Amino acid sequence: QKEVEQNSGPLSVPEGAIASLNCTYSDRGSQSFFWYRQYSGKSPELIMSIYSNGDKEDGRFTAQLNKASQYVSLLIRDSQPSDSATYLCAVNINDMRFGAGTRLTVKP
Amino acid sequence: DTAVSQTPKYLVTQMGNDKSIKCEQNLGHDTMYWYKQDSKKFLKIMFSYNNKELIINETVPNRFSPKSPDKAHLNLHINSLELGDSAVYFCASSHHRVPSYEQYFGPGTRLTVT
Repeated sequence: QKEVEQNSGPLSVPEGAIASLNCTYSDRGSQSFFWYRQYSGKSPELIMSIYSNGDKEDGRFTAQLNKASQYVSLLIRDSQPSDSATYLCAVNINDMRFGAGTRLTVKP
Repeated sequence: DTAVSQTPKYLVTQMGNDKSIKCEQNLGHDTMYWYKQDSKKFLKIMFSYNNKELIINETVPNRFSPKSPDKAHLNLHINSLELGDSAVYFCASSHHRVPSYEQYFGPGTRLTVT
């Protein structure tokens, strides 16, 4: 079983819709969870971190964590074409483990 | 103003050569990392240094040798380059504190071995 799993996509949503990105992880001892955005040819950029069960909102982004289900998600409201990128889920176990990423395309 | 910088941005070299990549951060972090991102875009940690000391050394060929002269710098030297070493190498840094390990990445070095 992979340590961090994401649906590789591609995920396509129309402009203005909600994009939902999902991630599961294997180690129940994980304490820190992150979402990174990576544009093609660029480096990963941290967009959200979450440490407690529940929701955390930052602008159009909402991260959701459910430790019992070992599940973390990212919702992007009012999706824009500029949100088109690969989204990487990362979980800090003893060190940072990344999922393979979900490619999101927002169509105008 | 660059938080995490790497040089060079691109590196094209032949098999068997030795090359180095340099990384510097001005965020005041005490931990620095090297990651490899392969052609399938999977990002995998290679090394982690905390206060100039190696704390993570994943299963990486010993042709790869990191060196940290101080907390703000972490270099990666690669001996006897192989075709399979072609990838993008990212440097990152963070504070080493629980529970937050927010890592910030440099722009990457695209290594092509021919």
